[in-house]
Amino acid sequence: EPEVTQTPSHQVTQMGQEVILRCVPISNHLYFYWYRQILGQKVEFLVSFYNNEISEKSEIFDDQFSVERPDGSNFTLKIRSTKLEDSAMYFCASTADSGGEAFFGQGTRLTVV
Amino acid sequence: RKEVEQDPGPFNVPEGATVAFNCTYSNSASQSFFWYRQDCRKEPKLLMSVYSSGNEDGRFTAQLNRASQYISLLIRDSKLSDSATYLCVVTVSSGNTPLVFGKGTRLSVIA
Repeated sequence: EPEVTQTPSHQVTQMGQEVILRCVPISNHLYFYWYRQILGQKVEFLVSFYNNEISEKSEIFDDQFSVERPDGSNFTLKIRSTKLEDSAMYFCASTADSGGEAFFGQGTRLTVV
Repeated sequence: RKEVEQDPGPFNVPEGATVAFNCTYSNSASQSFFWYRQDCRKEPKLLMSVYSSGNEDGRFTAQLNRASQYISLLIRDSKLSDSATYLCVVTVSSGNTPLVFGKGTRLSVIA
């Protein structure tokens, strides 16, 4: 069964450092998303991406965040200068079409110390 | 303002019990509705979509009331393996719109 894969599964970083979270969406999917979930909180939308550009972003997705699809398979989320409050589980998701079932990766647990 | 609201629980029920979860959403433009299941520290996984006419998948039944902006999930004959957090999710399905998650309702099925 095709799946969304994310690496690394866990990343610990010092405050102020840059991190790149990586995702490989399902190969024939066209829409890509990043969500995050702070421990004990709800899953929150960060950004959606289609046709090589950002479709929509939330107020969480400020100038410290960026996304990229550097090649035909990877989809990355970069946090330029991490803050303690960026500590969360980050989920990548993809859908084959607009409004279709979203498949989530297993997540990257980011811990900022 | 909470966009998708759920009772956080926990619901502790014995095996074999029937349990119902409710959810309300604030955006009247919402078009698509889902129940996701999330195990501890894992990713959300789609349990079922929710249709206006109501739908059933084995032991699971979902209902939607658009007028009241209310969604429900009924689980019959609970199994130990049903223990998880159940997330109510809505989206305005126009273009590449994001999913809006409720905080989830935690279910523990006890032997």
